[in-house]
Amino acid sequence: QKEVEQNSGPLSVPEGAIASLNCTYSDRGSQSFFWYRQYSGKSPELIMSIYSNGDKEDGRFTAQLNKASQYVSLLIRDSQPSDSATYLCAVPPLGNFNKFYFGSGTKLNVKP
Amino acid sequence: DVKVTQSSRYLVKRTGEKVFLECVQDMDHENMFWYRQDPGLGLRLIYFSYDVKMKEKGDIPEGYSVSREKKERFSLILESASTNQTSMYLCATRASNTEAFFGQGTRLTVV
Repeated sequence: QKEVEQNSGPLSVPEGAIASLNCTYSDRGSQSFFWYRQYSGKSPELIMSIYSNGDKEDGRFTAQLNKASQYVSLLIRDSQPSDSATYLCAVPPLGNFNKFYFGSGTKLNVKP
Repeated sequence: DVKVTQSSRYLVKRTGEKVFLECVQDMDHENMFWYRQDPGLGLRLIYFSYDVKMKEKGDIPEGYSVSREKKERFSLILESASTNQTSMYLCATRASNTEAFFGQGTRLTVV
């Protein structure tokens, strides 16, 4: 089992819709969770971090964490074509939090 | 502002050459990482370092070595480059229990 799993997509949504991206992780003790956005040919950039169960909102982005079910999701409201990118979930394991495992990423296409 | 700088954006090397990829950070972070990214395989950890002269293997260390002589600099070494090491290489840094910051990436082609 991979440490962090994501649906590779592509996920296609129309402009203005809500895009929902999901990630599951294997280490039940993980304490911090990160979402990165990566445009084609560029390096990943952090868009959200979450540490506690529940929701965390930042502009059009909402991260949701459910530790009991071991999943973390990212909602993008009012999706824009500029949101088209690959979204990576990252979860450092509790046993070795110096490591930093990434999911394989979900490719999002927002159609005008 | 956070800065992680990789020495080259694009690199073309011949099979069998020794290749050095350099990464420098100005954030005083303890942890530094080297990943490679290939289509369909995501980001795979090659090596990471949690202190000067300290290193740990990641998931795919074969064919690579690393060096960290100073806190701000982490080097990835391909001892004898092969065509299957053609990839995008990403350096990242991280303080404990915080997010990781990435360099701009080096696209290496081995011919």
